[in-house]
Amino acid sequence: AQSVSQHNHHVILSEAASLELGCNYSYGGTVNLFWYVQYPGQHLQLLLKYFSGDPLVKGIKGFEAEFIKSKFSFNLRKPSVQWSDTAEYFCAVKEGTYKYIFGTGTRLKVLA
Amino acid sequence: GAGVSQSPSNKVTEKGKDVELRCDPISGHTALYWYRQSLGQGLEFLIYFQGNSAPDKSGLPSDRFSAERTGGSVSTLTIQRTQQEDSAVYLCASSPPPTGNTIYFGEGSWLTVV
Repeated sequence: AQSVSQHNHHVILSEAASLELGCNYSYGGTVNLFWYVQYPGQHLQLLLKYFSGDPLVKGIKGFEAEFIKSKFSFNLRKPSVQWSDTAEYFCAVKEGTYKYIFGTGTRLKVLA
Repeated sequence: GAGVSQSPSNKVTEKGKDVELRCDPISGHTALYWYRQSLGQGLEFLIYFQGNSAPDKSGLPSDRFSAERTGGSVSTLTIQRTQQEDSAVYLCASSPPPTGNTIYFGEGSWLTVV
């Protein structure tokens, strides 16, 4: 079965710093990949997704992610974080036609 | 409502009691999921419903857990004889057809077993 690894469990950055959160999945083939975000007190919401095509995917709020097939990776990036980006970020891969496998999440704290 | 609705938002129960958690998916969404979010554990798949098909129950951790979906809409997750390790946030999500598109989460039901 697929598994998803998020190696950074807690990240603390100052505003305007650049962000990269790692995500690796366990095996290849055709994959659908997602990043979800959970702001404090809110529900999980989709940041971006990759199904096929251009491996550099742009999402909401200035986030982007790059699918690197050879590395089984789908890292999330943002050039300049804001205090409002403080949240928990989850990487997910869709296994089969409907099952989403999530990583353990990365808690990001952005200092104003 | 516009989003996935879950109730109760918070539930404190005594060990050994049964609990029911309810999910009302987004109108028109045929797929419904239950996940469990425990501290430091990420999101754990519990069960999946799709229309009138037999559900995928492969993620239910024990026979104390069960779920049903009535009329292809509202779902109830039942935990019998609750244990302290059942304490977690139980998340419901739904997805529109075709199968496997983006899933939309509710705000969760926070269960504490004391």
